[in-house]
Amino acid sequence: EVQLVQSGAEVKKPGESLKISCKGSGYSFTSYWIGWVRQMPGKGLEWMGIIYPGDSDTRYSPSFQGQVTISADKSISTAYLQWSSLKASDTAMYYCARLDARPVAGPDYWGQGTLVTVSS
Amino acid sequence: QSALTQPASVSGSPGQSITISCTGTSSDVGGYNYVSWYQQHPGKAPKLMIYDVSKRPSGVSNRFSGSKSGNTASLTISGLQAEDEADYYCSSYTSSSSWVFGGGTKLTVL
Repeated sequence: EVQLVQSGAEVKKPGESLKISCKGSGYSFTSYWIGWVRQMPGKGLEWMGIIYPGDSDTRYSPSFQGQVTISADKSISTAYLQWSSLKASDTAMYYCARLDARPVAGPDYWGQGTLVTVSS
Repeated sequence: QSALTQPASVSGSPGQSITISCTGTSSDVGGYNYVSWYQQHPGKAPKLMIYDVSKRPSGVSNRFSGSKSGNTASLTISGLQAEDEADYYCSSYTSSSSWVFGGGTKLTVL
């Protein structure tokens, strides 16, 4: 069974750094792209970027380029999303999602989400 | 890349059919047969319901169907059930080699 298990909720202050994780199991982690999606409170879904754990090829959506860093450690089947300096506007639910074997088809499995709250 | 356009809300009574539209451009919905639909219950992760415009993953009820005409894709749910009440999002591959989501539609089962 394909599973993506994300790290728990975080409460941070503006300016702090943060790294959240997404551990894949039940499939070949290095053979599928993993994407990160933001959902701000009461809002829709937004693509942030994707990574191919096999070779760490990473692509960012223009809105998120330079704002976050996506990485992966294939030895432990885990992808990461990190911020160096959080802002209140980063408060959101963040989902990781596995892209279909045909990446153009989009995501097929999703993690349960990680709620990030940034408040002074 | 602008979000795809979905109605904010739709509603229907149990047993009825409803259709949710998803309008994009020739650079996304109209240009590719890679439209997906996701169901999201409150506090839960999105679940894939339709991919490649009209295909259902294993385990998804055949009450869910998808179609596309020009730049508009549609999700139809027949025989509405209480458990169908959720938010629904469409997604499409784009000419920018990325994906774009719709703004989401809240389905209320009356």
